[in-house]
Amino acid sequence: SAVISQKPSRDICQRGTSLTIQCQVDSQVTMMFWYRQQPGQSLTLIATANQGSEATYESGFVIDKFPISRPNLTFSTLTVSNMSPEDSSIYLCSVERETGVEGYTFGSGTRLTVV
Amino acid sequence: GQQVMQIPQYQHVQEGEDFTTYCNSSTTLSNIQWYKQRPGGHPVFLIQLVKSGEVKKQKRLTFQFGEAKKNSSLHITATQTTDVGTYFCAGHSYSGAGSYQLTFGKGTKLSVIP
Repeated sequence: SAVISQKPSRDICQRGTSLTIQCQVDSQVTMMFWYRQQPGQSLTLIATANQGSEATYESGFVIDKFPISRPNLTFSTLTVSNMSPEDSSIYLCSVERETGVEGYTFGSGTRLTVV
Repeated sequence: GQQVMQIPQYQHVQEGEDFTTYCNSSTTLSNIQWYKQRPGGHPVFLIQLVKSGEVKKQKRLTFQFGEAKKNSSLHITATQTTDVGTYFCAGHSYSGAGSYQLTFGKGTKLSVIP
């Protein structure tokens, strides 16, 4: 199944700054998904990124705050902009495990702390 | 929008006891998936259930999908310390424009006392 390399694994950032998270997949995938997981909580979908088109954002998430790039079928970035302590969370990317195979694979996550 | 409720939030069991977590969706699902997240790790896919009333087993784990395709359960027989982690159900449903969406339950955090 697909393998995702996500980085950075963790970061501590000053409020007001931005952080870009990268996910590299070892195979071509149509859709990539970005999730947020607050400590001890469930996963919330931020947006779905398709190559060559604008990402689709879920309710409560906007492009200005979480711009996403999807330059090709194996790579995507999520930027957390103008950060505040409320953005402290784990951010994960996800793709289908394999075309036609059930289930999704997740990156190892980026643990973000905003101070 | 779709909501997926999962109970209990926490479960502490003695090693060797059984464990069950329950999942309920506000809408009919295309399928339901289960994931396990070890402490400090990321979610790992366990299984997918598609058919109404389906039951699947993986060694000591038994997964069920309700007849109405709105609820599901995961049962672990004779828990071991390696079962520690948070178990998430995730409802897969059509979200329009040819795409599907995965909605996660809040998870059940399992602790196993040796």
